[in-house]
Amino acid sequence: NAGVTQTPKFRILKIGQSMTLQCTQDMNHNYMYWYRQDPGMGLKLIYYSVGAGITDKGEVPNGYNVSRSTTEDFPLRLELAAPSQTSVYFCASSYPLGGDPYEQYFGPGTRLTVT
Amino acid sequence: QKEVEQDPGPLSVPEGAIVSLNCTYSNSAFQYFMWYRQYSRKGPELLMYTYSSGNKEDGRFTAQVDKSSKYISLFIRDSQPSDSATYLCADDYGGSQGNLIFGKGTKLSVKP
Repeated sequence: NAGVTQTPKFRILKIGQSMTLQCTQDMNHNYMYWYRQDPGMGLKLIYYSVGAGITDKGEVPNGYNVSRSTTEDFPLRLELAAPSQTSVYFCASSYPLGGDPYEQYFGPGTRLTVT
Repeated sequence: QKEVEQDPGPLSVPEGAIVSLNCTYSNSAFQYFMWYRQYSRKGPELLMYTYSSGNKEDGRFTAQVDKSSKYISLFIRDSQPSDSATYLCADDYGGSQGNLIFGKGTKLSVKP
């Protein structure tokens, strides 16, 4: 299993541009999450999904959108990028059938710079 | 209020030392307490978790929860250079979605 994969690894955006961060997991996990991590800060939850077609806001959702059309994929959309969105973005998944919902498996991250 | 406080360090210790990493939390509804380890430029990985109060041991690592004082600790015995990483404590929101609130992380360096 590849686990959780994220693309791209790095990206530089200009202010006002848009982009989609891709996240795919091959562990058949129901739950998926998007976090951002700023330097010296912990992980902040942006959006989460408990299954295909179901998404909900986390702690810091402004400026982002998500969709979940399949169990495997959970893309994060940035509209009108702003310098405040410069961060490292992590996707995670959890809750295999019969497993514990709190063991989250993280992808390698996408480093985004908005200038 | 949902907060987890963690001293960001950095913490530098010699190889073989006993390391103590600590967090405090504010919401008494928290039930699951986790420690994630994050190597530089990598995603976090779950190290261990405990439910409610008490101790849990896994090899050189011991996680301890004191719900009366809202204090979470991770002890590393016989620390190794390979333990050099950022350690993040995390607590649940008390719901069923697996949503976690993370501390800022403590950066640990173990010198050979």
